[in-house]
Amino acid sequence: GIQVEQSPPDLILQEGANSTLRCNFSDSVNNLQWFHQNPWGQLINLFYIPSGTKQNGRLSATTVATERYSLLYISSSQTTDSGVYFCAVEIQGAQKLVFGQGTRLTINP
Amino acid sequence: DAGITQSPRHKVTETGTPVTLRCHQTENHRYMYWYRQDPGHGLRLIHYSYGVKDTDKGEVSDGYSVSRSKTEDFLLTLESATSSQTSVYFCAISDGQGSEQYFGPGTRLTVT
Repeated sequence: GIQVEQSPPDLILQEGANSTLRCNFSDSVNNLQWFHQNPWGQLINLFYIPSGTKQNGRLSATTVATERYSLLYISSSQTTDSGVYFCAVEIQGAQKLVFGQGTRLTINP
Repeated sequence: DAGITQSPRHKVTETGTPVTLRCHQTENHRYMYWYRQDPGHGLRLIHYSYGVKDTDKGEVSDGYSVSRSKTEDFLLTLESATSSQTSVYFCAISDGQGSEQYFGPGTRLTVT
């Protein structure tokens, strides 16, 4: 099956710092999503981005489908950005999202 | 936010007892999914539905059954709960294959 690898597994930063999270996948996909799981366990949709670039406030994402990777950028980090960030992909006909193991982000004040 | 609710939100049950978790949506989405989240495994698909009475297995379906008698409701049943089914269960919905999936708040199930 498709492999989804996220890096780094853990990231600790000070408030105000910028960060880049990476997601590599092993097959062509027709869906790629980034989620933030907050400390209360809720999965929050950040981006639906099978290809191209999107921005939403301090967050942006880029997926290069031909090279099978996606990047999530967080600028001017805030303590509320803490949590686990998941990348998930769906391949044609698979009817399911396959999740990476996540990047745990900790933003210290 | 997508209108997805899950009930109960927390449940503790004993080994061998039946358990049913409910997912309810108000978005009229065709697809509904059940995932489980465990440390070291991320989220994995249990079962999904692509319409009323149309369901199929995911990668970790053993020990689980599902039913969908109405568009808005998707039930997950553990016929005889085991300790290995202690997990957090998430329901998700989407408009179709390749479309964005939205997740419910989750149900934390503990089997003692």
